[in-house]
Amino acid sequence: EAGVAQSPRYKIIEKRQSVAFWCNPISGHATLYWYQQILGQGPKLLIQFQNNGVVDDSQLPKDRFSAERLKGVDSTLKIQPAKLEDSAVYLCASRRLFAANEKLFFGSGTQLSVL
Amino acid sequence: GNSVTQMEGPVTLSEEAFLTINCTYTATGYPSLFWYVQYPGEGLQLLLKATKADDKGSNKGFEATYRKETTSFHLEKGSVQVSDSAVYFCALSPYSGAGSYQLTFGKGTKLSVIP
Repeated sequence: EAGVAQSPRYKIIEKRQSVAFWCNPISGHATLYWYQQILGQGPKLLIQFQNNGVVDDSQLPKDRFSAERLKGVDSTLKIQPAKLEDSAVYLCASRRLFAANEKLFFGSGTQLSVL
Repeated sequence: GNSVTQMEGPVTLSEEAFLTINCTYTATGYPSLFWYVQYPGEGLQLLLKATKADDKGSNKGFEATYRKETTSFHLEKGSVQVSDSAVYFCALSPYSGAGSYQLTFGKGTKLSVIP
């Protein structure tokens, strides 16, 4: 089966610019996550969707970050305006079921550099 | 809150050496525990998991045992290979009343195996 698809693979922007990332989860996966992975750290959850509804966005900096999953399939994550500290890899992940021990599948990520 | 603490790397071993990467956690209730691996240039992928106390997860020669009394989930391999060079992340997924089942990751441990 096809994996989690993310684009672009790399993005370089200047601070205060806007940027958007796209994710297409594995077909049939109802739950979708966006994680931020800063260099040298583990991934940190930004937002979790169940179908097209938000389950948890408590760690999303809502003054500058937004995410949507309008049709319950693919999702976009936007940063507007970007700050230097947003430089990180943004990972999208999906899982088939809404369960604690269900395997999470990760995309390769989008590496963002803010100059 | 929930947290995962891993031994700091990087870890450098010779081929066929014994590997231990320590992981301890803090969580309420009975979380599920995971090891994820990130090979160079690839996305995160599940290595093994354990869902209850005294369970042993195993895959590709790696093992980890869920120890509730010591809140630990140490990763071990008896004989590492060059192809095991990667970053290893310990993670937990709590059973919460709200059922978000989100993963909390440690900071990761980079393993380099030299011939």
